[in-house]
Amino acid sequence: QKEVEQDPGPLSVPEGAIVSLNCTYSNSAFQYFMWYRQYSRKGPELLMYTYSSGNKEDGRFTAQVDKSSKYISLFIRDSQPSDSATYLCAAYQTGANNLFFGTGTRLTVIP
Amino acid sequence: EPEVTQTPSHQVTQMGQEVILRCVPISNHLYFYWYRQILGQKVEFLVSFYNNEISEKSEIFDDQFSVERPDGSNFTLKIRSTKLEDSAMYFCASSGAGIGQPQHFGDGTRLSIL
Repeated sequence: QKEVEQDPGPLSVPEGAIVSLNCTYSNSAFQYFMWYRQYSRKGPELLMYTYSSGNKEDGRFTAQVDKSSKYISLFIRDSQPSDSATYLCAAYQTGANNLFFGTGTRLTVIP
Repeated sequence: EPEVTQTPSHQVTQMGQEVILRCVPISNHLYFYWYRQILGQKVEFLVSFYNNEISEKSEIFDDQFSVERPDGSNFTLKIRSTKLEDSAMYFCASSGAGIGQPQHFGDGTRLSIL
């Protein structure tokens, strides 16, 4: 299913870099957008959650949604080695329960 | 912080056998979900459960699958006659009441069918 598309990477950056992770989606009915972080052998951990278009900031993380272009972004400032993980974007529409996930982008932050 | 717990972490089963995967959702959550992730593929929705009944299910969730909330804390996924292609990570999730509540996931059960 191609509801949510995400570049799988891998992506390697030096410690302290700004990281940009991106997804596109096809279903214009999607209203809720999430970023999950997944460490090896662990489940997806909710990182950011936004409704409709706009920005949301939480510490070093900023999530952006542009509904006009169906584009979802996650920015990580001052990246740390502990940020090394797979980042999954996900979306769903009002009235439905099922999350549609991207493939995940594997990020490595090099000390 | 409250979390979703899943047992077992790894289950090995012979093809054709029945398997039950168990989950304890976050205690005040009302919506429960199962997802699966085949190695190298996307996390895929299987089923959602609310008020003791299935509220939504995907094409994957066919007659060999069933879900149950046998008591006030557990939520289970049963696969009746396992196939090789059922080998995957199975994630349980839960969310609170109200529109648009985010889903919180457990660490998954790795199911290996031999």
